[in-house]
Amino acid sequence: AQTVTQSQPEMSVQEAETVTLSCTYDTSESDYYLFWYKQPPSRQMILVIRQEAYKQQNATENRFSVNFQKAAKSFSLKISDSQLGDAAMYFCAYTTGTASKLTFGTGTRLQVTL
Amino acid sequence: NAGVTQTPKFRILKIGQSMTLQCTQDMNHNYMYWYRQDPGMGLKLIYYSVGAGITDKGEVPNGYNVSRSTTEDFPLRLELAAPSQTSVYFCASSYPSGSKYEQYFGPGTRLTVT
Repeated sequence: AQTVTQSQPEMSVQEAETVTLSCTYDTSESDYYLFWYKQPPSRQMILVIRQEAYKQQNATENRFSVNFQKAAKSFSLKISDSQLGDAAMYFCAYTTGTASKLTFGTGTRLQVTL
Repeated sequence: NAGVTQTPKFRILKIGQSMTLQCTQDMNHNYMYWYRQDPGMGLKLIYYSVGAGITDKGEVPNGYNVSRSTTEDFPLRLELAAPSQTSVYFCASSYPSGSKYEQYFGPGTRLTVT
């Protein structure tokens, strides 16, 4: 079975600092896609960043970047220059592409302090 | 372009009642999904559809039914509601092309069964 593990239930970061959220996954597939979704208190699921497994280059979206280690099946999210608006639940998710079904981790709650 | 819309936003059901959660997308996406999110957990797939007239079970389908008569609509039916179905329900859609595969989510429906 495909699984996604987020081992940090909660994290805290000071405003303007950098924080890294961890994610590991388990799959026997060679071709797949990884995502980080943000869920603020409004409950809306917002795509933060995506990574295609066949690409060696780590994805970057403004202050958000990933460290994708395919051999280790690790997909961490780095948030630079953290802002108060970054406070949310962050979910790591994975799909092989078959019907694009997503498997989610249990999430990491990120607090941003002044 | 409204994206994915869900109705209602909130609902309280008594044990044994039935209801239908509505989901509509205006992006002409082939794939649609229903997830549930229990408190403090990630999203789990209930049912999905890869096109009109085609549906399939996800990880947690028991107690639910779906239909897909049009590309736009993907209603989720709860029969004989039980307290274990208290959750937040998300509808999502996707149009896999190229290297995208990400899903677009509706705002969610909070359901309480008492």
